[in-house]
Amino acid sequence: DVKVTQSSRYLVKRTGEKVFLECVQDMDHENMFWYRQDPGLGLRLIYFSYDVKMKEKGDIPEGYSVSREKKERFSLILESASTNQTSMYLCASSLGSGVITDTQYFGPGTRLTVL
Amino acid sequence: DAKTTQPPSMDCAEGRAANLPCNHSTISGNEYVYWYRQIHSQGPQYIIHGLKNNETNEMASLIITEDRKSSTLILPHATLRDTAVYYCIVSLSGGGADGLTFGKGTHLIIQP
Repeated sequence: DVKVTQSSRYLVKRTGEKVFLECVQDMDHENMFWYRQDPGLGLRLIYFSYDVKMKEKGDIPEGYSVSREKKERFSLILESASTNQTSMYLCASSLGSGVITDTQYFGPGTRLTVL
Repeated sequence: DAKTTQPPSMDCAEGRAANLPCNHSTISGNEYVYWYRQIHSQGPQYIIHGLKNNETNEMASLIITEDRKSSTLILPHATLRDTAVYYCIVSLSGGGADGLTFGKGTHLIIQP
């Protein structure tokens, strides 16, 4: 079974702090994704990566950056956290490799509160 | 610009079949229908996907109409653990190329 783990289930930070959210997958997947989930807005894609050191902006990249130095690890960075970044953050991975139909595997989520 | 339409909520009795509808009238010929679900406080979980033909796996069945404008996810014997939000998603590649777009989904409540 694919396992996607996230560094924290719950996190509380202060406005202006730099925040790192870590995601690790153990199935040698090429693609990794960061989403945020807010009530009434569903899941929205922040960034994704299809290879080491590669990144692509999703629908809402403003205020975020990402890092993928190793294939299994994808980090989401909030350079200066703000209260409107309080949300549930979900990481996902998928096989990639040009498969016709891919399946995403999600981590348990990190609930971030910015005070 | 929603690509799928689902009822916001549904109830089903435990042990009965749960039938969750989804309308996707603007689906293009090479787009797949995917279903995911999200149990409270967990990440979404893949259930099943299909293109034209009906599909079945150990979790569910997917029935796609001949014109492909709608589909139904069937959980044959619902249990309390099936209470979750179910998302119907239309995608070219399952999100592998550019992520998935989740709508609001259907909150399925299994009643004891």
